Amino acid sequence: DTAVSQTPKYLVTQMGNDKSIKCEQNLGHDTMYWYKQDSKKFLKIMFSYNNKELIINETVPNRFSPKSPDKAHLNLHINSLELGDSAVYFCASSRLGTGGTGELFFGEGSRLTVL
Amino acid sequence: AQSVTQPDIHITVSEGASLELRCNYSYGATPYLFWYVQSPGQGLQLLLKYFSGDTLVQGIKGFEAEFKRSQSSFNLRKPSVHWSDAAEYFCAVGSSSNTGKLIFGQGTTLQVKP
Repeated sequence: DTAVSQTPKYLVTQMGNDKSIKCEQNLGHDTMYWYKQDSKKFLKIMFSYNNKELIINETVPNRFSPKSPDKAHLNLHINSLELGDSAVYFCASSRLGTGGTGELFFGEGSRLTVL
Repeated sequence: AQSVTQPDIHITVSEGASLELRCNYSYGATPYLFWYVQSPGQGLQLLLKYFSGDTLVQGIKGFEAEFKRSQSSFNLRKPSVHWSDAAEYFCAVGSSSNTGKLIFGQGTTLQVKP
């Protein structure tokens, strides 16, 4: 059973299109994240949700809109895709608060290619 | 501001040789420190972590790391590398206030020669 699962694993699309990536975790964690890994493999946090509330927003363009319908799900919608959005997007989860260790559990990534 | 530096972009070692991957961090308080490994096409897997206590921490797959506050370092070591250890290794620092936000280094690519 995959702990953090993302779909789709690959997306290839044209500039200007809109796309979504879905993420689900079955670890019972209260916090979920989106990280972006660029072509140089640099990983940077984009968003974090704790119990469905946005707690971290790292000055990501408004074209990126995360949504967390419940604690186990965090989706990422991207409008008007640009070439620079090509990257691997990783979903992660963790347990914060008392007893939380800050350790992140990552999904396998969704590779987005914008043509 | 928090930052993590992994000075070695690429390292090649022979199978059976020892390995040390360097990590230096910048953080104002006691950090939470992590090493993650990423195999090709895969997500990141936690190798080990340091929060407090014993500065030498043991992880999975025979890896260990030592926290040296005076040097702001958290280097990863393995006494004998296996071909399956070839991967990308990331050092990360997190806040002791436990917001869950991790700052990652740029990664070190490990190649293992037979």
